[in-house]
Amino acid sequence: GAGVSQSPRYKVAKRGQDVALRCDPISGHVSLFWYQQALGQGPEFLTYFQNEAQLDKSGLPSDRFFAERPEGSVSTLKIQRTQQEDSAVYLCASSSLAGGASGELFFGEGSRLTVL
Amino acid sequence: KQEVTQIPAALSVPEGENLVLNCSFTDSAIYNLQWFRQDPGKGLTSLLLIQSSQREQTSGRLNASLDKSSGRSTLYIAASQPGDSATYLCAVPRGGSQGNLIFGKGTKLSVKP
Repeated sequence: GAGVSQSPRYKVAKRGQDVALRCDPISGHVSLFWYQQALGQGPEFLTYFQNEAQLDKSGLPSDRFFAERPEGSVSTLKIQRTQQEDSAVYLCASSSLAGGASGELFFGEGSRLTVL
Repeated sequence: KQEVTQIPAALSVPEGENLVLNCSFTDSAIYNLQWFRQDPGKGLTSLLLIQSSQREQTSGRLNASLDKSSGRSTLYIAASQPGDSATYLCAVPRGGSQGNLIFGKGTKLSVKP
C-alpha cells in the first residue's frame, strides 16, 4: 500500500479481555516498530522487527504484551488480560532501512485502545 | 539515561507570527535529532532530521537547529499559518538503533486566524 495501515483504528475492551492490533507496513520495508502513546505523552518504544526477527523487545511493559511478524510483513501486537493502564494509542512505523537508519520512519495513524 | 524535554507544552499565536519551539536532551551523545508533527488522531510525520555533525536543517518555512554541547534544539516556524496547528515532537535515537526513538511530550501549537 501507499502507507502504513493499522487496524482497528479504535478498540474498546473490557478489563481482562485479550486484544490484537494489526500493522501493515509499506511493502518491502524490512524494519517495523511498535510504539505506545498515552494521552498527552510522547510515543514510547515497545519493540522492533527486522524482517521476521524480533531484535528488540525491551520496551514491552509486561509479559502480557506479545508481538509477532511471522512472514516479515504484517505484524500483530497482542495484549492479554488488558488492564486500564493499557489504554493508549498504539503506533506502528516501518522503514526500508535496517534499524530505521538515518531516521527514515513512516508512521501509521495508530490504533486507539480504551480499556473499561 | 537520556531524557527529552519540550517547552512550552502548549503555545497559541496569531497567524503570521514567527515562533520557536524548544527541545532539550540530557545526553549529548546523539546520532541525530528529529522533529515530527502530529495532527489530532493521526500518526507522526517527520519534518526535519539533523545529523549530529550538522548545526541546522531547513525545509520551507521550517528551520531546525542543533547544539549538542548544550543539549538543545529549536524548531523555528516563520510566518505561521492556521494549517501549522498541530503537536510538534522532537526525538533522539536510543543508543545505536536509530528507529528506537526517545520522544519529548510535545508542544501543542495553535495558530489563530
